Amino acid sequence: GENVEQHPSTLSVQEGDSAVIKCTYSDSASNYFPWYKQELGKRPQLIIDIRSNVGEKKDQRIAVTLNKTAKHFSLHITETQPEDSAVYFCAASMDSGYSTLTFGKGTMLLVSP
Amino acid sequence: DAGVTQSPTHLIKTRGQQVTLRCSPKSGHDTVSWYQQALGQGPQFIFQYYEEEERQRGNFPDRFSGHQFPNYSSELNVNALLLGDSALYLCASSLGPESEIQYFGAGTRLSVL
Repeated sequence: GENVEQHPSTLSVQEGDSAVIKCTYSDSASNYFPWYKQELGKRPQLIIDIRSNVGEKKDQRIAVTLNKTAKHFSLHITETQPEDSAVYFCAASMDSGYSTLTFGKGTMLLVSP
Repeated sequence: DAGVTQSPTHLIKTRGQQVTLRCSPKSGHDTVSWYQQALGQGPQFIFQYYEEEERQRGNFPDRFSGHQFPNYSSELNVNALLLGDSALYLCASSLGPESEIQYFGAGTRLSVL
C-alpha cells in the first residue's frame, strides 16, 4: 500500500519567515495530494491540494509543489503569522474508484511573534 | 449548512467493552470514511461507506465494524476494546466515493482504561 513520509516533525519559525514542509510518497499511482491543518482539539481542515497533472498551486500565502518523478511534494507558507501555528498533515490518494487518504505523521509548526 | 458532526466528543471505556461512535455527514454528502488518529500520528484509514455498504477497508481487525443508514449517517463499532484503541476517531464525508475532497468532523476522543 501507499506510504507517506513527512518532514520535519516539528518546525519553529519567527513571524514573517517562510516555512517549508516536505512529504514523499511511495506509490506512483497516487494522483491527489491534499494538505490539512489541524489546530489543537479541532478538526483537520483542508487548506490546499494538488493533482498530479499540475506542478504547482498557490493560494495567497500558501503554495504546494509536486515532483512526480521524485515522488515528493511540499507545502510552502510565506510571511508566517502566529495563527499559522498548528499541526500540518500531508496526504496522498490514488484514483481507484474509491478515494481514501494515506496521511503523513504530521508537522507541528510553531510561529513565534 | 452543517458540517460533519460526530458524537460523543469524549468517551471513556474499559478493556473488553464495546463502543459505538456516530457521524452525520456534511449536507449533501453521501459517502463516509472513518479514520483513527493516535496521539502524535496522522489519521489512519479504517473503512469507507457508500450506499450503505463498506466499500474500502484499511488494515484494521474485524473488531472494527460499521454501518451506514439511509440518511447517509454512519456508525463505527469497536468490540473487545484494547488499550491500544485509545485514539481520536475522525469521520470524513465526501460527495461520492470517488471524490477526493474529504471534510472532517472534530472527532470522538476514546480512552480505554
